[in-house]
Amino acid sequence: QQQVKQSPQSLIVQKGGISIINCAYENTAFDYFPWYQQFPGKGPALLIAIRPDVSEKKEGRFTISFNKSAKQFSLHIMDSQPGDSATYFCGGQGAGSYQLTFGKGTKLSVIP
Amino acid sequence: GAVVSQHPSRVICKSGTSVKIECRSLDFQATTMFWYRQFPKQSLMLMATSNEGSKATYEQGVEKDKFLINHASLTLSTLTVASAHPEDSSFYICSARGGLYGATNEKLFFGSGTQLSVL
Repeated sequence: QQQVKQSPQSLIVQKGGISIINCAYENTAFDYFPWYQQFPGKGPALLIAIRPDVSEKKEGRFTISFNKSAKQFSLHIMDSQPGDSATYFCGGQGAGSYQLTFGKGTKLSVIP
Repeated sequence: GAVVSQHPSRVICKSGTSVKIECRSLDFQATTMFWYRQFPKQSLMLMATSNEGSKATYEQGVEKDKFLINHASLTLSTLTVASAHPEDSSFYICSARGGLYGATNEKLFFGSGTQLSVL
């Protein structure tokens, strides 16, 4: 599988701060880029996703920024809350196959 | 959103036992389901892709005789870990894609996972 490189591996943010997680992909056939949130002992839940024809997508406190030429995208969590503490995975998905290639994950800890 | 139900959530078994994990799409038809394995603090590793009514496609390095996948209907896929051993202990997660309408097809919905512990 083509890689999706995710950074940082872990992140500590103060409550109210902005959490930023970055991903870079190699496969130019990817046309769907989701972010998943996973709590311990649970399956991943779709948080927000973007297609490459859009440079930014915002849903509530969560924003994806997408740079097609650089093959990079990032998740911004505004006004981070302790309840946001979880592991976040970015992914790349190609049309037709629907197989999802995950990044290695970022463990976010939001401290009061 | 669409719901994928995975059962059981946790299973503890003795070495040599076979364990079956079920994955059901509750409110949509899942033409394709995926099975993942996740080790602690690591990402999800795709094990196999199953399409309803056909044989599963396994990723390189995954033993098809050890991890038996059956996708007998549009709402149910099962993963059977045959003769489980301690090294098979892991968190197994299924996901499903599909639906009656194109808008849901690209999205993958995940089950809540099954923690398998083999003693």
